[in-house]
Amino acid sequence: GAGVSQTPSNKVTEKGKYVELRCDPISGHTALYWYRQSLGQGPEFLIYFQGTGAADDSGLPNDRFFAVRPEGSVSTLKIQRTERGDSAVYLCASSRLVGGTDTQYFGPGTRLTVL
Amino acid sequence: QQQVKQSPQSLIVQKGGISIINCAYENTAFDYFPWYQQFPGKGPALLIAIRPDVSEKKEGRFTISFNKSAKQFSLHIMDSQPGDSATYFCAASKGRPRLTFGEGTQLTVNP
Repeated sequence: GAGVSQTPSNKVTEKGKYVELRCDPISGHTALYWYRQSLGQGPEFLIYFQGTGAADDSGLPNDRFFAVRPEGSVSTLKIQRTERGDSAVYLCASSRLVGGTDTQYFGPGTRLTVL
Repeated sequence: QQQVKQSPQSLIVQKGGISIINCAYENTAFDYFPWYQQFPGKGPALLIAIRPDVSEKKEGRFTISFNKSAKQFSLHIMDSQPGDSATYFCAASKGRPRLTFGEGTQLTVNP
């Protein structure tokens, strides 16, 4: 049983460029979450999916950020016109069900560096 | 808006000692309080969690103490080991699965 996987593990891009970050959740997990972790800080919620639909995207900082999960499994976080302030580790998590106490299993993250 | 405040920022403990990390929350609607452990280069992993209807939960060397009236909860690591050296995060949620995390505590256990 593989855990949550994220690719790439590291991404370096230039200011203004477009990036895509991929998350493969644990097989069978209905819910998928994206968090952002800045250096020395706790993870900050961005968005979560129940199946294919975004159930709560209130954590996305602005309209440059967008996420999809077209088939209810793999998800892609997309960032347009990247800014230096977007540099962080982007964490993906999944859980069996959407519920307040359902354990979220995190992937190792994608470290994004915007030069 | 920091809804969960964690302290201390860093902690150094001798092997065999007790590590204590504290968190305070503002939102009384929170009803789930997990602690996560994170090693460098890894994602956070659930360590232990508590609901507000109990005051204490123990799993092995790890104990959560919960004080609802004070809106505080803490993690106690008994007989701390060098392998416990990691960053610990408290978190909270209120019926929805989005977690609000504290700032983290970097624990170092010296051999």
